[in-house]
Amino acid sequence: AQTVTQSQPEMSVQEAETVTLSCTYDTSESDYYLFWYKQPPSRQMILVIRQEAYKQQNATENRFSVNFQKAAKSFSLKISDSQLGDAAMYFCAYRSYYPQGGSEKLVFGKGTKLTVNP
Amino acid sequence: GAVVSQHPSRVICKSGTSVKIECRSLDFQATTMFWYRQFPKQSLMLMATSNEGSKATYEQGVEKDKFLINHASLTLSTLTVTSAHPEDSSFYICSAVEEGWYSNQPQHFGDGTRLSIL
Repeated sequence: AQTVTQSQPEMSVQEAETVTLSCTYDTSESDYYLFWYKQPPSRQMILVIRQEAYKQQNATENRFSVNFQKAAKSFSLKISDSQLGDAAMYFCAYRSYYPQGGSEKLVFGKGTKLTVNP
Repeated sequence: GAVVSQHPSRVICKSGTSVKIECRSLDFQATTMFWYRQFPKQSLMLMATSNEGSKATYEQGVEKDKFLINHASLTLSTLTVTSAHPEDSSFYICSAVEEGWYSNQPQHFGDGTRLSIL
């Protein structure tokens, strides 16, 4: 079974600075997807960025980018020019590329609480 | 973008009551919906996977007679917590995937339902 580990329960960053959130995972599969979700105090889960394992290029979405190291099974999220609205819980998630049984579930890490200081 | 509506957002009821939570995909057809439970300051725990027109697949340890799931159409899934007790108090979140799960479509999450059993 796949596992996702987020080793930083909490992180803080100054507004306008850059912060990196760590995520490692364990799998025997070669094809899969990785996601970062954001959960603000409103509790809605918002997709931040996703990465297909077969793509070597790191995904980027505006101020958010990932450092995907497939061999090391590492998938860190970098937030540049941090804004107050970035404060939230961030969850790293894994999904198999080939669904088993007709559907496939997300495996979540335990999350990292990000605080942005003004 | 894909929108998932979850209703109600908050429920407070007496012990022994059954509570129904609805999850609707507003602008897409969802062949698969997922139901999660989230305890305070913890990650999302998958309860069950719901496929339209078939029985839900429950995760190990989740009581199927306690948490009834119905996915009668491509846009609606319901979770009914039967004879709810205080230990069932939690935050419940649904998510949905557009048709073509075998592509890289991400899960779209509802806003969640906070259930409080007195």
